[in-house]
Parts: sequence; C-alpha cells; structure tokens
Amino acid sequence: NAGVTQTPKFQVLKTGQSMTLQCAQDMNHNSMYWYRQDPGMGLRLIYYSASEGTTDKGEVPNGYNVSRLNKREFSLRLESAAPSQTSVYFCASSIWTGGSGNTIYFGEGSWLTVV
Amino acid sequence: QKEVEQDPGPLSVPEGAIVSLNCTYSNSAFQYFMWYRQYSRKGPELLMYTYSSGNKEDGRFTAQVDKSSKYISLFIRDSQPSDSATYLCAMSGRLGETSGSRLTFGEGTQLTVNP
Repeated sequence: NAGVTQTPKFQVLKTGQSMTLQCAQDMNHNSMYWYRQDPGMGLRLIYYSASEGTTDKGEVPNGYNVSRLNKREFSLRLESAAPSQTSVYFCASSIWTGGSGNTIYFGEGSWLTVV
Repeated sequence: QKEVEQDPGPLSVPEGAIVSLNCTYSNSAFQYFMWYRQYSRKGPELLMYTYSSGNKEDGRFTAQVDKSSKYISLFIRDSQPSDSATYLCAMSGRLGETSGSRLTFGEGTQLTVNP
C-alpha cells in the first residue's frame, strides 16, 4: 500500500518554465489537496478537490492550476514558474469518516527550486 | 495576524523529559484540532486528533484543548530521541463530506530530544 505518491521529488526550474507535479493515491479517498510549505509560513493550501470532478482554490492559488484527472490522481501545474514558487509541495488526500471528520494523509513532498 | 500561532522553537530537551508544545488561535469557529509530526524531509503524519474541548491520551502523548482560551497543547512524556521532529498543530471548523478539509496549520515547532 503506497498511500500518497508524488513525483518528481526534486526539480530545478528556470524562471518562466512550466512543469506539472503529479500525485496519486491508492486509498480510495474522495478529497485531495496540494499544499506548499515555506519557512516561517507553515503549510498553506493551494488548491483542493473535495471529490472527483470538482476543484476549489485554497489560500494561495495564484500562479497554479490543478486537474483532478480521476479519483486517484490530482496534478498541480505551474504555467510560468517564478522564484517565489520555490518551496516544498505536498499532495494529500482524505476521506470523510463521519464523527471523526477528515483525516489527511500526506505524500513525501516535492522540493522545487526556481532560479 | 495569523489565525494560528505556534512557537517555532527550536526546542531541545534531554531524553526522558516532559515536552509541552502549544498553539493559540483566533478563529472561534475551529472545532477540530490535530497534531501532526513531521520528520526531516518527510510529509506530515497525523499524531493526535481532538474534537472540541478536553483531553485525549495516546500512550506517551496527551492532547489538550481549551476552547475558552483558544489554546491547545501537546504533551510528550518520557521523551525519546525518536520523538525528534517538527510538530505542527492544525485545526478546522465544521467539516462535511463534500466540503473538503480546510485545515489551518501552525508554523511548526522543531523538537530535538538528546540522548
């Protein structure tokens, strides 16, 4: 059971280049998320998908697009990378469990540097 | 002002010490409170989950929530070197099956337990 798998783990981009971060989960979860983690800022939600076919903006969506390809996969695209997007990106997934709410499971992270 | 405030540390303690980690928050709508543990270069993993006010104990870990003071704590008894990690508090308001989990995270406290 792999859980949440994201690729690539490391990437260096030049300003203006585009790239897509891939994420897949094998836990049959309904909801998926993309977060970024920066020193002094903690984890901030970029986009999320509450269920297959829906996506919504989070706290810091500017400069990003997402695609919920199917129930398993949720990709994050940087159309024109900027140095401010240098960060660690985490994909996550969750399933509603009634009284216990949503438990979020995170991937291992993708380290992105924009030069 | 951030909705969730957490002392980033770093915090260094000897093995066997009792560790207290804390977060304060400003949003009265928060009802679900979580603690995540994040090892270096890994994704966060859920450690403790609490709904509303009260205490919850799991082995050496105790989570406390005081909604009247908007203050949550995580206590680690008999701390071990393997507890060395960054601890993030997270919280959200009312959750629903289709709303996704809009967690707001603290910045994280870096803890080192010295043998």
